[in-house]
Amino acid sequence: AQTVTQSQPEMSVQEAETVTLSCTYDTSENNYYLFWYKQPPSRQMILVIRQEAYKQQNATENRFSVNFQKAAKSFSLKISDSQLGDTAMYFCAFMKHKNGGSQGNLIFGKGTKLSVKP
Amino acid sequence: DSGVTQTPKHLITATGQRVTLRCSPRSGDLSVYWYQQSLDQGLQFLIQYYNGEERAKGNILERFSAQQFPDLHSELNLSSLELGDSALYFCASSVGTANSGNTIYFGEGSWLTVV
Repeated sequence: AQTVTQSQPEMSVQEAETVTLSCTYDTSENNYYLFWYKQPPSRQMILVIRQEAYKQQNATENRFSVNFQKAAKSFSLKISDSQLGDTAMYFCAFMKHKNGGSQGNLIFGKGTKLSVKP
Repeated sequence: DSGVTQTPKHLITATGQRVTLRCSPRSGDLSVYWYQQSLDQGLQFLIQYYNGEERAKGNILERFSAQQFPDLHSELNLSSLELGDSALYFCASSVGTANSGNTIYFGEGSWLTVV
């Protein structure tokens, strides 16, 4: 079974600085997808970024980028120029690739609570 | 706005009662997922439907059941409710077809409080 581990329960960063959130996962699969979701105080789950395991290039979305190390099974999220609105719970998630039919479900880590301080 | 609609947003009910949570997926999405988020268990996958058929089951209790209707909306039924069932229940959807890895989009959740 796949597991996702986020070793940092809480982190804080000053506004405009950069912060990196860690995520490791355990799987025997070769093809899979990794995601970072953000959950602000409103509790809505918002997709931040996704990465296909077969792609070597790290995904980027504006101020958000990942460092995907497949061999190490590591998938960290870097937030540059942190903003107050980035304050949220961040969840790392894994999805197994499935051929044909419907896709699989997401397996989440426990989350990292990020506070951006003014 | 993710395009996934959940009702009700908040619900308070007594132990032993039964409730139904409703979800309308994004237009064109065939897969519907239900997740439970509680303080002690984190985000747990409950069940997945794809085009009306059950496709995967996670940590769903026998007291809970779900279905996906021909119009693709889904309902999660929770019965014989216990205090520990108090949680945020998310519905999510995705295109979910053969090109797996499609992004899963979440609704705003239904807050269930059992008293």
